Amino acid sequence: DAGVIQSPRHEVTEMGQEVTLRCKPISGHDYLFWYRQTMMRGLELLIYFNNNVPIDDSGMPEDRFSAKMPNASFSTLKIQPSEPRDSAVYFCASSFFAAEAFFGQGTRLTVV
Amino acid sequence: TQLLEQSPQFLSIQEGENLTVYCNSSSVFSSLQWYRQEPGEGPVLLVTVVTGGEVKKLKRLTFQFGDARKDSSLHITAAQPGDTGLYLCAGVGRNRDDKIIFGKGTRLHILP
Repeated sequence: DAGVIQSPRHEVTEMGQEVTLRCKPISGHDYLFWYRQTMMRGLELLIYFNNNVPIDDSGMPEDRFSAKMPNASFSTLKIQPSEPRDSAVYFCASSFFAAEAFFGQGTRLTVV
Repeated sequence: TQLLEQSPQFLSIQEGENLTVYCNSSSVFSSLQWYRQEPGEGPVLLVTVVTGGEVKKLKRLTFQFGDARKDSSLHITAAQPGDTGLYLCAGVGRNRDDKIIFGKGTRLHILP
């Protein structure tokens, strides 16, 4: 397996634009997590899914953020409209039985 | 809210020295994990500890889970430049559907 695959690796966008981040989890994993990492706040959990169903989205900062998991092999995190304070590295991770998360390489988002 | 406090935040030591970093919480976890993250990459799992009082060794790294399953430590013997990185602890809650919560990490730099 190629591991968790995220795209794009880097994204630079203007304030107000829509941003979509993509994730392909490891085949067979039943949990998918979206995290955001900054120097100030560390690795924050935004939302997680179990068997494609959102379980806890309490970490999503605002209504501008939304996430979907239409099937077991794909998830998206969307920010609309984007703001400069959304600049961070966004990680997707998958796991089996909500333990031992395997991370993608992340998407570095810069909103100018 | 489950919080994991890691200390120290930053540590810079000479090659060959020993060090210990800590992960503390007021919450009980079913298991606790340690990850290492290198620049431009996602965190990678080093070890999982499950039983209170458990000690696991990974070459020069020794991990311990507190008796009450609220805290953990990572001890590195004879640190090497290759040990440089961000060390993150993560706790998994008691219930199977609980999220994986991360501490902010200890940034370790080993000087040659």
